[in-house]
Amino acid sequence: SAVISQKPSRDICQRGTSLTIQCQVDSQVTMMFWYRQQPGQSLTLIATANQGSEATYESGFVIDKFPISRPNLTFSTLTVSNMSPEDSSIYLCSVEVPVPPGYGYTFGSGTRLTVV
Amino acid sequence: AQSVTQLDSHVSVSEGTPVLLRCNYSSSYSPSLFWYVQHPNKGLQLLLKYTSAATLVKGINGFEAEFKKSETSFHLTKPSAHMSDAAEYFCVVSELDDYKLSFGAGTTVTVRA
Repeated sequence: SAVISQKPSRDICQRGTSLTIQCQVDSQVTMMFWYRQQPGQSLTLIATANQGSEATYESGFVIDKFPISRPNLTFSTLTVSNMSPEDSSIYLCSVEVPVPPGYGYTFGSGTRLTVV
Repeated sequence: AQSVTQLDSHVSVSEGTPVLLRCNYSSSYSPSLFWYVQHPNKGLQLLLKYTSAATLVKGINGFEAEFKKSETSFHLTKPSAHMSDAAEYFCVVSELDDYKLSFGAGTTVTVRA
């Protein structure tokens, strides 16, 4: 199945700044997904990114705060803009992979973001 | 809309004893169900998946789960816990043919020597 390289693995950022997270997949995939895992909580889907179209955002997430790029079938970036301490979370990307008899999902190792 | 409830936020077992992690789901249609494991400072790893084939699903590392439609449950078990099983476990549901995943709150497993 696909292998995802996600970077940075962690960062400490000043409030008001922006951080761009990158995900590189070792095979071409149609859809990539971005998740947030707040401290002590489960994963929440931020948006779905298809190559060649604008990302689709879930309720509570907006493009101005979390702009996403998807320039090709193996790469995507998520930017966390104008950060505040509430943005401190783990951010993960995910792709759909064949898991016979259907599909499953593989995840990057995550980016642990701390905003100070 | 689908949702998942993991009935235990924390499970503690002794090494060599059985592990049971409980999960109930809600789904309007035929669900796909997954169990993922997250070791400290590591990414999520797929343990197993159910998609309307056999109701007893075998996964990696000796884990298995049983789908019970009448009880809307998908509990995860392992007959003998190992120290390396200490991790966070997530039950996940998606509607058939829908890529949107709904995660449970997670169950933290600790294994006592």
